[in-house]
This record gives sequence, structure tokens and C-alpha cells, in this order.
Amino acid sequence: DTAVSQTPKYLVTQMGNDKSIKCEQNLGHDTMYWYKQDSKKFLKIMFSYNNKELIINETVPNRFSPKSPDKAHLNLHINSLELGDSAVYFCASSQDFGGVQFFGPGTRLTVL
Amino acid sequence: GENVGLHLPTLSVQEGDNSIINCAYSNSASDYFIWYKQESGKGPQFIIDIRSNMDKRQGQRVTVLLNKTVKHLSLQIAATQPGDSAVYFCAENSRAAGNKLTFGGGTRVLVKP
Repeated sequence: DTAVSQTPKYLVTQMGNDKSIKCEQNLGHDTMYWYKQDSKKFLKIMFSYNNKELIINETVPNRFSPKSPDKAHLNLHINSLELGDSAVYFCASSQDFGGVQFFGPGTRLTVL
Repeated sequence: GENVGLHLPTLSVQEGDNSIINCAYSNSASDYFIWYKQESGKGPQFIIDIRSNMDKRQGQRVTVLLNKTVKHLSLQIAATQPGDSAVYFCAENSRAAGNKLTFGGGTRVLVKP
């Protein structure tokens, strides 16, 4: 069974569209994260939720909105997609905030 | 702000040789460090971690060394295998900085048969 899963794995869309990426973890962890990995492989944290509460919100455009319906899920909704949003987005989870993070397989977003 | 410094160089290693991947960090308040391995098309995978009260930790074929004096972290892989080909990231965490994990830029390891 996959510990941290994301859907979809690939997402190709036009500029200006709105899209969502879903993430689920079955590890029973309290904390979940979203990262963006650019073409140079640099990983940057975007958001972190602990027990469904937002605890990290990096300098991310407010077109990006995370939603955590429960501890096992953290979805990422992106409005008005731009070319610069093209990247691989990773979801991760950890037992508690600051602990070892387990990553999902990533979602490659391509904005045309 | 301070961050872990590791641009994306490439390390070519002969199969069977030992690999050493280096990482410099600048936040002296960092107290927890993790090495991740990312294979092509996959998410980062935890390899080994070390806390700042230690200077060495060993796992299966991997050893992490921490030198707090010069703010340097290294990952040693013994008897490198083709399956070790990947991008390796070091990451630092600091409770004082809000427990946010900061990743370095990664090193690509290519294992030659």
C-alpha cells in the first residue's frame, strides 16, 4: 500500500485554468506538507498543516490554496494558473511537526 | 535567510567504490539533519538522519558525518551499486527557526558499471 499518494501524477493545462491536486496519507501522521520542485530540482516548502491547522505558509501567491478536510488529506487548489507554476509538486507527511517527512510520488504540472 | 548550500553537481562513481556526498549548511542553530534520495520520477526517500548532539551515525551501507565546527554534513555510501544512482539531498531543521525543513540543492550520483 502506498503511504503517501497523490493524484493526478501528470497534469497538463492551459494558462488561466483552475486545478486541484489531491494528497492522502495512510500513515496516521499529524502533519502534512506541500513542496514545489523546480526544473533544477530545488525543493521549496509551500505549506504545512498540523492536525488540520495551517502552520507554515511560505511566500506563495494566494492563487494557491491548501485545504485539509481531515488529518489524512491535504489538497492543493491553484487558481488562474500561470506558466511559472509549471513544476513538480510533492506532498509529504510526518508523525509530528519537525519529524522525518515521507514524500508522495509527485504531480508534474505543465501549464501551456 | 540562511539555507543549506548544495548546488546540483554530479558525482560519477565506479560500481563497487565508495561515494561521498558533501553538504554545507549556514544555520548554526540547526539541530537535526536528514539525507534524502530521489530517484528519477519519484519523490524523495528518507535515507538517514542525525541530531546535532552526534557527529556520526551509521545505517546499512550509509554513514552520515556531522561537523558542527565547520557546519558540514556528509553522506558516505559504501560499495556503491547501480541502484544508488539518484539525486541526494541534505536537509536541515531548526527548532529555533520554527521546525521548518530546509533542503539543499541536491547532488546527482551516477554509478558507472
